[in-house]
Amino acid sequence: QVQLVQSGAEVKKPGASVKVSCKASGYTFTSYGISWVRQAPGQGLEWMGWISAYNGNTNYAQKLQGRVTMTTDTSTSTAYMELRSLRSDDTAVYYCAREVEVGATGWFDPWGQGTLVTVSS
Amino acid sequence: EIVLTQSPGTLSLSPGERATLSCRASQSVSNYLAWYQQKPGQAPRLLIYGASSRATAIPDRFSGGGSGTDFTLTISRLEPEDFAVYYCQHYDGSSRTFGQGTKVEIK
Repeated sequence: QVQLVQSGAEVKKPGASVKVSCKASGYTFTSYGISWVRQAPGQGLEWMGWISAYNGNTNYAQKLQGRVTMTTDTSTSTAYMELRSLRSDDTAVYYCAREVEVGATGWFDPWGQGTLVTVSS
Repeated sequence: EIVLTQSPGTLSLSPGERATLSCRASQSVSNYLAWYQQKPGQAPRLLIYGASSRATAIPDRFSGGGSGTDFTLTISRLEPEDFAVYYCQHYDGSSRTFGQGTKVEIK
């Protein structure tokens, strides 16, 4: 079955960087993009950006431009999200999700299990 | 940028009742809208895509409707496992947007 498995929880100090991985299985990795979505404690969902697993093209949310980098390793069917210059308000659960695109629309299915990133001094 | 506004914020209902959730877009999004369910401590799960198509293995008590700017997610008869938070989402190629969510709680 299609599955995304993420790396484990992280605790980081303000100003540090974090890199979260998302390993895909059960489908042809390069046929779909991966989006990253985060959720602060008790809050809603915030889209962070997207990467094409086919050619590595990226599209980042304007709010995170300059602090986030998304990459893929097609040899291991793994996507990565690195966030730099961490602040306390970056504390959140970070999800990867396979993006299904049909024509001019798309949706997320399935999602990884989530990775809690805590930023604290 | 398109803004999605969900209402109500919280819906208090009893098992067996009908739930109607609303998602309004700030401009027309055609039928480019999806719905997700999220239970506490879990990742979101796709329910509906293309405004009205059910995802794989989603029970038929879930239905989506609407087009343009006004959309609804209907749960015909609430089961105990349906009490959760529901999000709508739009994709337009360059950005993806979520509504703020509607919590369906047990009355």
